[in-house]
Amino acid sequence: GAVVSQHPSRVICKSGTSVKIECRSLDFQATTMFWYRQFPKQSLMLMATSNEGSKATYEQGVEKDKFLINHASLTLSTLTVTSAHPEDSSFYICSARSRAIGYEQYFGPGTRLTVT
Amino acid sequence: GIQVEQSPPDLILQEGANSTLRCNFSDSVNNLQWFHQNPWGQLINLFYIPSGTKQNGRLSATTVATERYSLLYISSSQTTDSGVYFCAVEQYNQGGKLIFGQGTELSVKP
Repeated sequence: GAVVSQHPSRVICKSGTSVKIECRSLDFQATTMFWYRQFPKQSLMLMATSNEGSKATYEQGVEKDKFLINHASLTLSTLTVTSAHPEDSSFYICSARSRAIGYEQYFGPGTRLTVT
Repeated sequence: GIQVEQSPPDLILQEGANSTLRCNFSDSVNNLQWFHQNPWGQLINLFYIPSGTKQNGRLSATTVATERYSLLYISSSQTTDSGVYFCAVEQYNQGGKLIFGQGTELSVKP
């Protein structure tokens, strides 16, 4: 149980275009979803917290107009990287949790974004 | 903000050896989790352990919340244990946000 999926797993896009990443909780309803970013050989850094039906809360230094987060349902959150630039190339990972299954967080497999 | 420090940063073991990974945190926490990040980037949940001791096969973990540290024990290591081990903590009233340590990169040689 407690499976989180992400799509796509890998995406290459041209500079200036937008990319949408989906995060789904497959076998539970996620009251909260989180988006992280990881650069090579580094740790995970939280970008934003997303609660179903409400606006995302962004961490300091994360541009909310660049990284649009939508938590449309209890099983789906999306991250849209708008007007992507090469410096946005990174590994993006989502996680989800639910009070119904305790407070443990479960992570998706990640999306590797390359902006050319 | 809270600081999460993991040690050692790197560890090389021969297959069959045992190891202990440490996670220190600078403030009280509501939750602590240990993860293994495999070579493809997937984080695998190992333990949800805000306090006490848990065991799962060759792995066990102990968190001493009053002294602000947690230990992950790996016994009889296997090459498939290679990867990066992260601990992450959640503070009270922070909406579930996890703060990650820098990780321990483990390499198990055959």
